Amino acid sequence: AQRVTQPEKLLSVFKGAPVELKCNYSYSGSPELFWYVQYSRQRLQLLLRHISRESIKGFTADLNKGETSFHLKKPFAQEEDSAMYYCALIMGNTPLVFGKGTRLSVIA
Amino acid sequence: DTEVTQTPKHLVMGMTNKKSLKCEQHMGHRAMYWYKQKAKKPPELMFVYSYEKLSINESVPSRFSPECPNSSLLNLHLHALQPEDSALYLCASSHGGDQETQYFGPGTRLLVL
Repeated sequence: AQRVTQPEKLLSVFKGAPVELKCNYSYSGSPELFWYVQYSRQRLQLLLRHISRESIKGFTADLNKGETSFHLKKPFAQEEDSAMYYCALIMGNTPLVFGKGTRLSVIA
Repeated sequence: DTEVTQTPKHLVMGMTNKKSLKCEQHMGHRAMYWYKQKAKKPPELMFVYSYEKLSINESVPSRFSPECPNSSLLNLHLHALQPEDSALYLCASSHGGDQETQYFGPGTRLLVL
């Protein structure tokens, strides 16, 4: 069963426009949620983690337990934000599970 | 040293070859992972080592054999691979266990002919 759902394979936005990458999860307990990013020809790296409640590179994500969502948002997209974004989840004692990913393309 | 390193960067091997992938970290992390990533797909977990002991094997075929010689090193021994095993193999580590943030290496791109 798909535990982490990223409904959009590809999301294209114009530079300066707001961006929202959607992530929904299936878990009745208290999840640990992450966003990882993979820029072209670079390693997969952590963007942010819900428990840290930080804003990294202008991105934020809020855990909404009612909607079981952890959408990634940025008010003004930049060209350098173009990358593959993976939402990932830890449920209880299970290891990290990745969503299928959303490719963000920011158009100049 | 705050990175996970992997060697080699690229590897081409025949189906009868034996080769090994290496992963190293000097961050004092006690959990290490192997993932397989096909093009345009998310990483798929293969193995987890926790405190140098194999804790998770995600039903990986025996032609892949992991080894953790010490807390800083992780190897993946390859033997009699199939063309469909061609992929990017990622190593990752985390501080104390598989509940924590994972730090990824750049990967080894493997081509099996």
